[in-house]
Amino acid sequence: GAGVSQTPSNKVTEKGKYVELRCDPISGHTALYWYRQSLGQGPEFLIYFQGTGAADDSGLPNDRFFAVRPEGSVSTLKIQRTERGDSAVYLCASSSLGSTDTQYFGPGTRLTVL
Amino acid sequence: GNSVTQMEGPVTLSEEAFLTINCTYTATGYPSLFWYVQYPGEGLQLLLKATKADDKGSNKGFEATYRKETTSFHLEKGSVQVSDSAVYFCALPAGGTSYGKLTFGQGTILTVHP
Repeated sequence: GAGVSQTPSNKVTEKGKYVELRCDPISGHTALYWYRQSLGQGPEFLIYFQGTGAADDSGLPNDRFFAVRPEGSVSTLKIQRTERGDSAVYLCASSSLGSTDTQYFGPGTRLTVL
Repeated sequence: GNSVTQMEGPVTLSEEAFLTINCTYTATGYPSLFWYVQYPGEGLQLLLKATKADDKGSNKGFEATYRKETTSFHLEKGSVQVSDSAVYFCALPAGGTSYGKLTFGQGTILTVHP
């Protein structure tokens, strides 16, 4: 079946602008994760949803970052007042059971803040 | 929380050479351990996993054994191919109250020459 999809694949924006990044998880997966990967580094956790609720948002770097998953499927990561340091690849992953199951990753959105 | 230390790269090998990428972990209990791979221009893919001590995960000729005595999960392949050129990440659940959150190593870049 279809894997995790993310749109857009690339996003270039200017400092101070607002951006939204979308994730479509694998159908039926209840758990959804956002990670951020900077160049030359491993992915770093941002937030985890179980169903519609954020079960763990301890990785969000500050209050400019926010994520929603209103119907328990598609999720949107929102970044306000973007800064150059936000430039990275934003990865989404989903899993069927949550904390103990394998996470399947999407291709990522490469965000560049000029 | 749990953590992982991964062999620094980059690693450059000739085709058909033997590969080892070291990964050691610090964890409470015996969480699942994972190797993910990121091919050029593609998203993270699960390569293999082991869910308990002494388990061996294997896929595409790669193997890793969950060794609790040495807290290691080293990745091995007997004969690498040019197509194995990629970035390899060791990972495990972060543990504690961080349900489902994965902690990744910094990644090891593997380049295989013909």
